[in-house]
Amino acid sequence: ILNVEQSPQSLHVQEGDSTNFTCSFPSSNFYALHWYRWETAKSPEALFVMTLNGDEKKKGRISATLNTKEGYSYLYIKGSQPEDSATYLCAQGESGGYQKVTFGTGTKLQVIP
Amino acid sequence: EAQVTQNPRYLITVTGKKLTVTCSQNMNHEYMSWYRQDPGLGLRQIYYSMNVEVTDKGDVPEGYKVSRKEKRNFPLILESPSPNQTSLYFCASRPSGSYYEQYFGPGTRLTVT
Repeated sequence: ILNVEQSPQSLHVQEGDSTNFTCSFPSSNFYALHWYRWETAKSPEALFVMTLNGDEKKKGRISATLNTKEGYSYLYIKGSQPEDSATYLCAQGESGGYQKVTFGTGTKLQVIP
Repeated sequence: EAQVTQNPRYLITVTGKKLTVTCSQNMNHEYMSWYRQDPGLGLRQIYYSMNVEVTDKGDVPEGYKVSRKEKRNFPLILESPSPNQTSLYFCASRPSGSYYEQYFGPGTRLTVT
């Protein structure tokens, strides 16, 4: 079983602050790194997928980077807003026939107005 | 509208009473998967299917069965539910290949007493 780890487990930030969290993953069998946003009482929804070392993706105030050589990805939120409050999940997709995707335990973000 | 549907959304049952949670997707996706979500443990894969009549165990398959007789449907069967199967269950689908984002159903909250 792959070990995909996220830190911190949770954090509280003030509205307007920028923040970032980390996803670390084993480099073996790496194929893709996904970020999902999961709001309370809803289902996870995809934010980004990245495959190449050095990839950067951006969607509005949220961006992500990928380092496959050292096995980590960062998610950044600029100028946090209360509607950014959610759990952010990362998931590693593996190469090979099983196409397995392993999720981390998530970082729960609370943005305080 | 592209979607993954699950039924029921909420279920309270007693130990040993067989139950089925249905999952259906209308996106013609080859890959379907069941996850359970427990506090502090993130999303853990129960079973997955890479296509019709092709299913395999995920990380926590004990106590569960699945079938994939049609491409759109992937029911989860608990032959003899136990209290440790009380959890939030998600069905997900995606095209073949771990690069692709997964589309999640709305979740089924199961309580076994």
